[in-house]
Amino acid sequence: SAVISQKPSRDICQRGTSLTIQCQVDSQVTMMFWYRQQPGQSLTLIATANQGSEATYESGFVIDKFPISRPNLTFSTLTVSNMSPEDSSIYLCSVELGRVGQFFGPGTRLTVL
Amino acid sequence: GNSVTQMEGPVTLSEEAFLTINCTYTATGYPSLFWYVQYPGEGLQLLLKATKADDKGSNKGFEATYRKETTSFHLEKGSVQVSDSAVYFCALGTDTGFQKLVFGTGTRLLVSP
Repeated sequence: SAVISQKPSRDICQRGTSLTIQCQVDSQVTMMFWYRQQPGQSLTLIATANQGSEATYESGFVIDKFPISRPNLTFSTLTVSNMSPEDSSIYLCSVELGRVGQFFGPGTRLTVL
Repeated sequence: GNSVTQMEGPVTLSEEAFLTINCTYTATGYPSLFWYVQYPGEGLQLLLKATKADDKGSNKGFEATYRKETTSFHLEKGSVQVSDSAVYFCALGTDTGFQKLVFGTGTRLLVSP
C-alpha cells in the first residue's frame, strides 16, 4: 500500500474564495486521482493527474473551476476556485499501485459558507 | 455508461449474524471490481477486489465473487462484529491502462452487540 496525506484535513471558507488542497504520497506514482464526495453521496471522479502533462477532467468538471498541478511523482494539488456552498464536500486524492488497486488519502472536508 | 448499484442501507445486524450487501454493475468490457470500506471518521480503505469472472476476493473474513452471468459482486461475511460497522462501497474499474473507479452509493452497516 501507500501512505497518503492531505492538507488541510478540513476548512471552512467564504463564498467566492479559493482553496488549494495538497496531496503527498510516500512513493513515486504515475497516476493520481482527485474525487469528490458530496454529503451523503458516493465518490465522483473529478480528474486524473499524470506527472508532466495536463490533468484529464471528467464530464461536469472543468479546469477553470478545479485547476490541478502535478509537479512531481509524489505530489499534487487541487484548487477549488470561486467557491459556493454547493462545493461543500469531502475531496479525496488517490493513487494507483500497479494492479494492486487504488489507495485513498484521508480526505479534506470543505465547508463553504 | 458504466454504473454500480448497491442495496440501500442502513443494514442493521446483531453481532455474529450473516452479512450480505448486494452490488450489481453495468459495464462495457471486462472491469475489475472492488469493495471499499469507510470506518467512522476514517478514510476509504480497499477491502477486497476481483479482476476477472469467477474470481473471489477475500479479506478480514469478507468475501465477494465476480459473477459475470449476473453482473454481480455481492459482499458477504459469515459472522459480523461490532467493529465491522462502517460504510461499504462497491466500485468498478475501467480497464483503460489505469483504473478509473466508478462507485456505488455506499451501504451503511450497523452491528449491535
